Amino acid sequence: ETGVTQTPRHLVMGMTNKKSLKCEQHLGHNAMYWYKQSAKKPLELMFVYNFKEQTENNSVPSRFSPECPNSSHLFLHLHTLQPEDSALYLCASSQVLEVPYEQYFGPGTRLTVT
Amino acid sequence: GQQLNQSPQSMFIQEGEDVSMNCTSSSIFNTWLWYKQDPGEGPVLLIALYKAGELTSNGRLTAQFGITRKDSFLNISASIPSDVGIYFCAGQRNGAGSYQLTFGKGTKLSVIP
Repeated sequence: ETGVTQTPRHLVMGMTNKKSLKCEQHLGHNAMYWYKQSAKKPLELMFVYNFKEQTENNSVPSRFSPECPNSSHLFLHLHTLQPEDSALYLCASSQVLEVPYEQYFGPGTRLTVT
Repeated sequence: GQQLNQSPQSMFIQEGEDVSMNCTSSSIFNTWLWYKQDPGEGPVLLIALYKAGELTSNGRLTAQFGITRKDSFLNISASIPSDVGIYFCAGQRNGAGSYQLTFGKGTKLSVIP
């Protein structure tokens, strides 16, 4: 039980579909993150939200659109994805104003784009 | 950009053996974290290190923050089958965006019963 939940756990979508990934943290943290994990690559940071404001967008294609309505919820909206976007998408949360800055991860959403 | 070199990439060991893996960087980090990831799950935090030279244990796991602040190692003693998984190191620097992490590529551990 990590305190960070993600839904759905698995998602198969066609290239013309629109879907959303959801993340919720129950740890009282004020920063949330989206990562992409592909085989044999380091975790790739996609987006960072700090107190609901986006502070980082690591050159992510516009077909990925994040939304952070409050400090406990984070969404990743997906549209017109490509097969190379198939990966494990991980959400994480942490504090940002005080040590420790440890990030806690959710279980991930395994995305397959067909 | 910052990179973490994690080694070995993979290892096969007999149950009961001790394991050692490490992470090195050309940059200084102020925090080192070690995570374990099971198949189909997200990484779980094992140990966090905050001071150069710090040695911290969590059960059979021991990790150290290198004196130069450019490396860290993780040891697992008396391995058991449930230790199987991928172990990631992550470093964190002070400064703007200091709460962001840089990850290694992981060490995949297989334990032979």
